[in-house]
Amino acid sequence: KAGVTQTPRYLIKTRGQQVTLSCSPISGHRSVSWYQQTPGQGLQFLFEYFSETQRNKGNFPGRFSGRQFSNSRSEMNVSTLELGDSALYLCASSLAGGHEQYFGPGTRLTVT
Amino acid sequence: SQQGEEDPQALSIQEGENATMNCSYKTSINNLQWYRQNSGRGLVHLILIRSNEREKHSGRLRVTLDTSKKSSSLLITASRAADTASYFCATRETSGSRLTFGEGTQLTVNP
Repeated sequence: KAGVTQTPRYLIKTRGQQVTLSCSPISGHRSVSWYQQTPGQGLQFLFEYFSETQRNKGNFPGRFSGRQFSNSRSEMNVSTLELGDSALYLCASSLAGGHEQYFGPGTRLTVT
Repeated sequence: SQQGEEDPQALSIQEGENATMNCSYKTSINNLQWYRQNSGRGLVHLILIRSNEREKHSGRLRVTLDTSKKSSSLLITASRAADTASYFCATRETSGSRLTFGEGTQLTVNP
């Protein structure tokens, strides 16, 4: 089975812009979770989608949003980028959520 | 906020030695998982232990869980330089499906 893929792998954006990140889960996995990882805050949960519905949401402002498509692929969007949004964004898929998760390689976002 | 706290934050040992990392958490859990991350890359799932289990083994890994103390430990035996990585515990609460990660332990195994 192919693993979790994330695109793009690296991204440089300017403050105020918006960005869309994509995640393709392992075939058959219906749960996709997103995390933000920074040196200061560690791994922070953003949201989880299951069968196209947002099932859980972390403590992030409304600038962070996501969605999941019928083929379980997921996107997350960050609008009005701030310098503090610079981070490694990780996507993980699992069969049903809460079980072992399979992570993608991440998207490294740099906001200048 | 992070559910778990890991101890120590950093650990440096010689190849062949055992490494023990600890994780404490705050709420009731359904399961606890350990993950490894190599240098800013994706995380790799290592082992899952359910709340009704006390100990689990997988190869050179041994995980214990003490729900009365809300703590878990990960033991890596006969460590290798390739074990150098950050190790995270993650908990699944009984009331939901999300995983909450600890702050991680940076393990360095010197050849």
